[in-house]
Amino acid sequence: DIQMTQSPSTLSASVGDRVIITCRASQSISSWLAWYQQKPGKAPKLLIYKASSLESGVPSRFSGSGSGTEFTLTISSLQPDDSATYYCQQYSSYDTFGQGTKLEIK
Amino acid sequence: EVQLVESGGDLVQAGRSLRLSCTASGFMFGDYDMTWVRQAPGKGLEWVGLVRRRSAGGTTDYAASLKGRFTISRDDSKTIAYLQVNSLKTEDTAVYYCTRSRGGALDIWGQGTLVTVSS
Repeated sequence: DIQMTQSPSTLSASVGDRVIITCRASQSISSWLAWYQQKPGKAPKLLIYKASSLESGVPSRFSGSGSGTEFTLTISSLQPDDSATYYCQQYSSYDTFGQGTKLEIK
Repeated sequence: EVQLVESGGDLVQAGRSLRLSCTASGFMFGDYDMTWVRQAPGKGLEWVGLVRRRSAGGTTDYAASLKGRFTISRDDSKTIAYLQVNSLKTEDTAVYYCTRSRGGALDIWGQGTLVTVSS
């Protein structure tokens, strides 16, 4: 199985901050990576697919980058509504998710 | 409106079986692979498996750790995907989500259905 490791596990930042979440794959997954946002009691929501493509309707402050084994999700200017847990997912082979990053607003 | 609605979650005893359903609407169900993902209470997301669209062979894949007790199927005429779980264990307690796979990314999610397994 391909293992996905996210860092950090928790993150606290202020409104307007630039936030970066990292996801590392245990082997190359090319660009077969997605990012999701999940709020408490809700289903996850797709933000980014194919490592850097923004899903329709997702604010442009969200962006993704990377290929191979190293990927990042960047929020350019943190908003109060961004408080959530973020997951990466590889879909190169037998999908796996990262363990999640809980983002809190200071 | 594009929608997935799961049903069938329940409180069941360990060792029993359960079949979850996912009813799709608002899109061409037969054109998409369908995936199941679960989330244990307070934990992260776990990919369960998928059933491919007919044009891709209609085959299934499962997470290695779950292979054997889980069976995913689909009925395109009814636009329903199913997840059958046999020999339920307490560690199968989770919210089970049905999702639409668009090239591998999961772009549409249901609201989830809760399965609680008691000992």
